[in-house]
Amino acid sequence: AQSVTQLDSHVSVSEGTPVLLRCNYSSSYSPSLFWYVQHPNKGLQLLLKYTSAATLVKGINGFEAEFKKSETSFHLTKPSAHMSDAAEYFCVVSSDSNYQLIWGAGTKLIIKP
Amino acid sequence: SQTIHQWPATLVQPVGSPLSLECTVEGTSNPNLYWYRQAAGRGLQLLFYSVGIGQISSEVPQNLSASRPQDRQFILSSKKLLLSDSGFYLCAWSVTTGGTETQYFGPGTRLLVL
Repeated sequence: AQSVTQLDSHVSVSEGTPVLLRCNYSSSYSPSLFWYVQHPNKGLQLLLKYTSAATLVKGINGFEAEFKKSETSFHLTKPSAHMSDAAEYFCVVSSDSNYQLIWGAGTKLIIKP
Repeated sequence: SQTIHQWPATLVQPVGSPLSLECTVEGTSNPNLYWYRQAAGRGLQLLFYSVGIGQISSEVPQNLSASRPQDRQFILSSKKLLLSDSGFYLCAWSVTTGGTETQYFGPGTRLLVL
């Protein structure tokens, strides 16, 4: 069975410093992996997705994520945080059954001025 | 380009009252459609999905139901709301490219049951 673990419920960084949001997954096959962002009281926006084409995936707003099969990880990074990055981020893995996505519990990113 | 609409944006309803939330998608045909609920401080819970008109699959037993009367319309309903139905309801549609299905979300409806 698939599962997703976001290791931090909250991450706090200063503006201009790097961001690292950690995600580990378990899957019995080669999954598709996604990161979504949700700003306060807003819907979910797709940041990026991994589909086995390349292990380093670049997304919108300067975010990127690296798929590491040996570590079963898909951590999200950004070199320099901006105040507008404050939001909740969800790591998601595709299920081995159709139409199902397995969602992490989310990580709230706090940006300090 | 594709867009997805949800309404209303916010809804306050008394316990025991009926519910109807609507979702429509533009710019695509025969999409897979989904209803999720997000309770405060928690992740997303898949409620229903649909692969075509009149085809609804339920993931969680509850007092909610879904219908798809038209190709790009997905409705979430309840005959009698419970306090526990409060939450943020998100509709999504998906597209499959290169064997990967990607879901795109609407703006959501915040429901408060009092």
